[in-house]
Amino acid sequence: GENVEQHPSTLSVQEGDSAVIKCTYSDSASNYFPWYKQELGKRPQLIIDIRSNVGEKKDQRIAVTLNKTAKHFSLHITETQPEDSAVYFCAASRETGRRALTFGSGTRLQVQP
Amino acid sequence: GAGVSQSPSNKVTEKGKDVELRCDPISGHTALYWYRQRLGQGLEFLIYFQGNSAPDKSGLPSDRFSAERTGESVSTLTIQRTQQEDSAVYLCASSLGGGAQGNTQYFGPGTRLTVL
Repeated sequence: GENVEQHPSTLSVQEGDSAVIKCTYSDSASNYFPWYKQELGKRPQLIIDIRSNVGEKKDQRIAVTLNKTAKHFSLHITETQPEDSAVYFCAASRETGRRALTFGSGTRLQVQP
Repeated sequence: GAGVSQSPSNKVTEKGKDVELRCDPISGHTALYWYRQRLGQGLEFLIYFQGNSAPDKSGLPSDRFSAERTGESVSTLTIQRTQQEDSAVYLCASSLGGGAQGNTQYFGPGTRLTVL
């Protein structure tokens, strides 16, 4: 089955700096890679996703890159703000057949004002 | 429109009791998923329903866990003879199940289960 590894487990940055979170996956058939943000006691919220037919996707301060050959994908947050502080999870799945997400272990991001 | 809802939001039970957790997916979503999140950890897949197909139960940790779904609506996750290690937040998600955005999963608020 799929295995997703996520690094780092914690990340502390100063407000305005960039943050990068990296994930690797094992199943070459995975072709859908979402990122979720989870604030304390809240549900995971989708912030961006990428499909295997593209290498990069941006949405304002957030971008995701995908390297299918190396089986890794990364989340980039620029100009970080205190409200970006949360736990971020990467995930992987197939878009056909078994669609359940396999999640990474999470990265706790703290943005210091 | 309304998002995914779950009930109860919190459940405290004694070891050995059975519990039922409910999920109402987004209307029109054919796919429904259950995940478990232990304190401070990631989400573990439990079970997946897609339309009228047989559910994917490959993530259920033991035969004490079961789930049902009525058509393309409500789902119930049942845990029999609860154990302390079952304590976790149980999250439900739904997705369209088809088309370009068919895999985008939206999560409910979860049910926090505490087994004493």
